[in-house]
Amino acid sequence: GQQVMQIPQYQHVQEGEDFTTYCNSSTTLSNIQWYKQRPGGHPVFLIQLVKSGEVKKQKRLTFQFGEAKKNSSLHITATQTTDVGTYFCPSRDSNYQLIWGAGTKLIIKP
Amino acid sequence: DAGVIQSPRHEVTEMGQEVTLRCKPISGHNSLFWYRQTMMRGLELLIYFNNNVPIDDSGMPEDRFSAKMPNASFSTLKIQPSEPRDSAVYFCASSPPGGGTEAFFGQGTRLTVV
Repeated sequence: GQQVMQIPQYQHVQEGEDFTTYCNSSTTLSNIQWYKQRPGGHPVFLIQLVKSGEVKKQKRLTFQFGEAKKNSSLHITATQTTDVGTYFCPSRDSNYQLIWGAGTKLIIKP
Repeated sequence: DAGVIQSPRHEVTEMGQEVTLRCKPISGHNSLFWYRQTMMRGLELLIYFNNNVPIDDSGMPEDRFSAKMPNASFSTLKIQPSEPRDSAVYFCASSPPGGGTEAFFGQGTRLTVV
């Protein structure tokens, strides 16, 4: 099945700095979802992107879907401690089930 | 809606004992998933059900693991006998009809086998 690679695996930032994580696929994606898991918590759905070149915003979070629908990014402006967690962009297998990568762990430097 | 409900939240058991994890999906959802999460292996799909029928159990590690869904509002994941390497957080998630929809996760069960 198709696999989506997510980079970086870890990102340390100072509070107030921006943060970006990228997901790249070798094949065209029908759609992509983003989830956030706080430390000790469970994955929570953030958004789904479907259209080529789509950009969606949720307050300080900006989600983009590439023109070729092979990549996606999540950008957080002016990070806050509440942003800490692991961000996932699971891909879908041939049965349309979500396949989860390692995600990107956002860590705020003390 | 209360969301996906899992019980227990924490379980500590001795090696060799039987462990049963429980899940109540969101009402109206017809897909149910069992995941296991560890630091080493990340989030792994163990099995998923569609309309109470197991569709893919290829992620179930071995015969010690079994899952059932007797009705649309209840599922169990059983480990018998349990081993220390089964220690992990086990999540149940459900999705509404339509395929390609989002997954709603429960709070998880943290299992420790000593």
